[in-house]
Amino acid sequence: AQSVTQLGSHVSVSEGALVLLRCNYSSSVPPYLFWYVQYPNQGLQLLLKYTSAATLVKGINGFEAEFKKSETSFHLTKPSAHMRDAAEYFCAVNKRAGGFKTIFGAGTRLFVKA
Amino acid sequence: DTEVTQTPKHLVMGMTNKKSLKCEQHMGHRAMYWYKQKAKKPPELMFVYSYEKLSINESVPSRFSPECPNSSLLNLHLHALQPEDSALYLCASSQEVTGDSPLHFGNGTRLTVT
Repeated sequence: AQSVTQLGSHVSVSEGALVLLRCNYSSSVPPYLFWYVQYPNQGLQLLLKYTSAATLVKGINGFEAEFKKSETSFHLTKPSAHMRDAAEYFCAVNKRAGGFKTIFGAGTRLFVKA
Repeated sequence: DTEVTQTPKHLVMGMTNKKSLKCEQHMGHRAMYWYKQKAKKPPELMFVYSYEKLSINESVPSRFSPECPNSSLLNLHLHALQPEDSALYLCASSQEVTGDSPLHFGNGTRLTVT
């Protein structure tokens, strides 16, 4: 069954530090993977998506993610954190189910300290 | 600004009330979704409409009744809800129900059942 696991429900970094949010997937076939961000009192917004065209995917707001099949990982990174990056981040996979449906990981709350 | 508009933003209803949540998108997307999100949890899929036909119902109780009047509109009719149904209800759309189609979310309706 296709699913994603996010390691760490909370991550805290200092402003200007590297952001690393971890996501591992379980899938018997190359998956469609996504990262979404949710700011307080808002819906989710797409950061980036992997669809097998390239293993390093660049997204909005300076985020990128690398698909590593050997590690079944799709970790999200940003070289330098800003205060505005504080939010909830969800890794997601599109699962085939008579069409497709999106299954979300449990989420990781990113805190950015001044 | 989100391209998926949800109304109302907030709704308080009693257990005997009947109310409706509304969602609209003008991106020409042919798939629309309802998700339910409890505090500090990921969104959970409720319904998927593809080309205005219900394609997925995730065993949602009948007190929730979806309706897709046309390709731009999606409603969720609520009747005889329980306090545990209090949550953020998110509408989303995608170009198609395909693996590489990301979701575009509205900002949600915050529902409180008293």
